[in-house]
Amino acid sequence: ETGVTQSPTHLIKTRGQQVTLRCSSQSGHNTVSWYQQALGQGPQFIFQYYREEENGRGNFPPRFSGLQFPNYSSELNVNALELDDSALYLCASSLDEELYYGYTFGSGTRLTVV
Amino acid sequence: AQRVTQPEKLLSVFKGAPVELKCNYSYSGSPELFWYVQYSRQRLQLLLRHISRESIKGFTADLNKGETSFHLKKPFAQEEDSAMYYCALWRVNNAGNMLTFGGGTRLMVKP
Repeated sequence: ETGVTQSPTHLIKTRGQQVTLRCSSQSGHNTVSWYQQALGQGPQFIFQYYREEENGRGNFPPRFSGLQFPNYSSELNVNALELDDSALYLCASSLDEELYYGYTFGSGTRLTVV
Repeated sequence: AQRVTQPEKLLSVFKGAPVELKCNYSYSGSPELFWYVQYSRQRLQLLLRHISRESIKGFTADLNKGETSFHLKKPFAQEEDSAMYYCALWRVNNAGNMLTFGGGTRLMVKP
């Protein structure tokens, strides 16, 4: 399947819990980035993985962590959830040598923390 | 600090009217800028990038380094242009390669 797919589409968690969000990158894309989009705001960069290693991080605490796997899938893990973590989480993939030709975004996972 | 500002949260125009979505940026290096669009119930997708100087769906955007702007323009708006538009700046620094997005402008084209 081409394109970027994310799961689940919606999720409700309780404050203090842990959550794992999943992303399947476009075939052949070796770079994956995660963004958080709060309601009414533009996406904010969380971190980026290249060939299974983190190679960039935005202004997010360590309780936001990730993994990238050889099959182009990746995960975003958030520990000790806070109410402010409620947002749409976007995964985006690209080829490293075409990074600034733009990402391919997934549809996102909407996380609600109650 | 690198920043992208879209001063208008909402822009409402009539079909056939010209459209200009404003974007200003602050960046110490040579900027690489993009416009992304999100139609209702669809994913965020690339509209155009300044490096390629292209026109997509009738939209164009010119980088003005003097004014640090990258405004998106279309001479005649269509109803199907109604969407959220995000201006984004490509950054490469110690924190990695990333896009910094503006807050977005919702364009509503009325019949």
